[in-house]
Amino acid sequence: EPEVTQTPSHQVTQMGQEVILRCVPISNHLYFYWYRQILGQKVEFLVSFYNNEISEKSEIFDDQFSVERPDGSNFTLKIRSTKLEDSAMYFCARTGSGANVLTFGAGSRLTVL
Amino acid sequence: SQKIEQNSEALNIQEGKTATLTCNYTNYSPAYLQWYRQDPGRGPVFLLLIRENEKEKRKERLKVTFDTTLKQSLFHITASQPADSATYLCALDSGGYQKVTFGTGTKLQVIP
Repeated sequence: EPEVTQTPSHQVTQMGQEVILRCVPISNHLYFYWYRQILGQKVEFLVSFYNNEISEKSEIFDDQFSVERPDGSNFTLKIRSTKLEDSAMYFCARTGSGANVLTFGAGSRLTVL
Repeated sequence: SQKIEQNSEALNIQEGKTATLTCNYTNYSPAYLQWYRQDPGRGPVFLLLIRENEKEKRKERLKVTFDTTLKQSLFHITASQPADSATYLCALDSGGYQKVTFGTGTKLQVIP
């Protein structure tokens, strides 16, 4: 099965700036997820996305976060006004066949200065 | 609240020995329990899944047990190799495409 591809691999931004992280390209998959991992900490669920709608979201996924699938293939995570504590690895994932086995992308490392 | 506990301290074992990693959980009734491997700077990679009605699952040198009464899973790597050195994550899954919740992971170091 095709891997999940994420861009950028690393982004450095100033606090307060908007950031868009992308999963590209993905086809024929319905369920997508965003997770994040702060350095040295656990992988944390942010949001799941099904059929172009948010299916489930965590407490972390507040108003500064949004997800969309703007052109039917790319799947994006937007952080509107970044904070220092948003510095983390952000992983996109999809489910494969059967249960909720996740296939993760390589991640996008976000550094907020 | 739901809690997943894995040994926070690193596990160091000699090459060729069996590594055993523990995952305990509370306030959760998962339909499935999954194990992933994560290398530094990389995304988790799925290894094994065990269902709530299964006691044991094997895949090559890997074995997972699942005790829903004890709320515990054990993950074994037999004949360990230096290439097995990584962080291993336990993950709980309620099924139905709901979120998968990860533990903090245990770092395994296999010493040649």
